[in-house]
Amino acid sequence: AQSVTQPDIHITVSEGASLELRCNYSYGATPYLFWYVQSPGQGLQLLLKYFSGDTLVQGIKGFEAEFKRSQSSFNLRKPSVHWSDAAEYFCAVGIGNEKLTFGTGTRLTIIP
Amino acid sequence: DAMVIQNPRYQVTQFGKPVTLSCSQTLNHNVMYWYQQKSSQAPKLLFHYYDKDFNNEADTPDNFQSRRPNTSFCFLDIRSPGLGDAAMYLCATSSRAGFYNEQFFGPGTRLTVL
Repeated sequence: AQSVTQPDIHITVSEGASLELRCNYSYGATPYLFWYVQSPGQGLQLLLKYFSGDTLVQGIKGFEAEFKRSQSSFNLRKPSVHWSDAAEYFCAVGIGNEKLTFGTGTRLTIIP
Repeated sequence: DAMVIQNPRYQVTQFGKPVTLSCSQTLNHNVMYWYQQKSSQAPKLLFHYYDKDFNNEADTPDNFQSRRPNTSFCFLDIRSPGLGDAAMYLCATSSRAGFYNEQFFGPGTRLTVL
């Protein structure tokens, strides 16, 4: 069965430092991968997605993610985080033709 | 701004007392989704509408029902809430069916069951 794993429940990063959030997937076919962000009191917002082509994907708010088939990973990165990046981040995989399966999320805390 | 609105943001109900959660959208999207998100868990799809066509996930309990009277509104009815139904309920929309189309989420309704 397809699944998405986010190994880190909570990460704390200093403002201005780089960030990498991990996502691993288990899926038999070519995955369609997404990162969503949920800021406090807000709904989920799409940061970026990967369907095919260039394995390095650029998203909104300065985020990028790299698809690595050999590692079954789709890690999210940002070179320099801002206090406003504090949020919950969800990795998701698209399955069938309709459904998104989400990971359990990583909560990001930014310290001054 | 076009958006997805969920009312109320916080809902408290009693064990076994029916409750209805509301979602409206100004995006004029064809597809509307309901997700359940329990604490520290992934959002889980309950069902979705493509226009008026209702699609129920196989593992969605019968206790959960939905109505979509028009394009703009969608309701989640929980007929007899149990303690295990306490969760955040997220509504989302997309312009077309298929996960490759971006889903736009509302802020959610947090349901407490006493």
